[in-house]
Amino acid sequence: AQRVTQPEKLLSVFKGAPVELKCNYSYSGSPELFWYVQYSRQRLQLLLRHISRESIKGFTADLNKGETSFHLKKPFAQEEDSAMYYCALSNYGQNFVFGPGTRLSVLP
Amino acid sequence: NAGVMQNPRHLVRRRGQEARLRCSPMKGHSHVYWYRQLPEEGLKFMVYLQKENIIDESGMPKERFSAEFPKEGPSILRIQQVVRGDSAAYFCASSPVVNTEAFFGQGTRLTVV
Repeated sequence: AQRVTQPEKLLSVFKGAPVELKCNYSYSGSPELFWYVQYSRQRLQLLLRHISRESIKGFTADLNKGETSFHLKKPFAQEEDSAMYYCALSNYGQNFVFGPGTRLSVLP
Repeated sequence: NAGVMQNPRHLVRRRGQEARLRCSPMKGHSHVYWYRQLPEEGLKFMVYLQKENIIDESGMPKERFSAEFPKEGPSILRIQQVVRGDSAAYFCASSPVVNTEAFFGQGTRLTVV
């Protein structure tokens, strides 16, 4: 069965500090992995997907198939990064499964 | 392309009433997903539909909840005989036929009083 875990419900860092939001998945195949972000009172929006290998707003994520992880990283956190972050898995054309989310709080 | 549209944005129902939540996917998208977000919690998958078909409803309670995505018109999530515990934000997302990102609506916030 497909499953996405995000072990941290809440992560607080100081402005300028590195941040890493963890995501692990279980799926017996080659899924596509995504990170979605939800800023306060806004809709969820795609932050990045592993297939595009882009860096968005300074965030990057590398798919590690050996560890079945897709951790989200940013070297220097900004206050505007404070939001809810969801890791998601898609089984090519099938369902999107989301992790429980991690609330990132960047302190001044 | 107007994006995924959900209405109403806010819905208040008394216990025992019915709630109908609508989702119009993006143009050209035939896959629709519904999620529930309880206060201070993450997204919980409810149901995945394609046009006129329910593909996966494993996250939807067996009683009182139903969903449809007719050939014409929006997808509807229907909750009968609502209870206080149904109060949540309900999000709809859509994606095109082939696997790409899912685009989300702004959600419907249901409050049961």
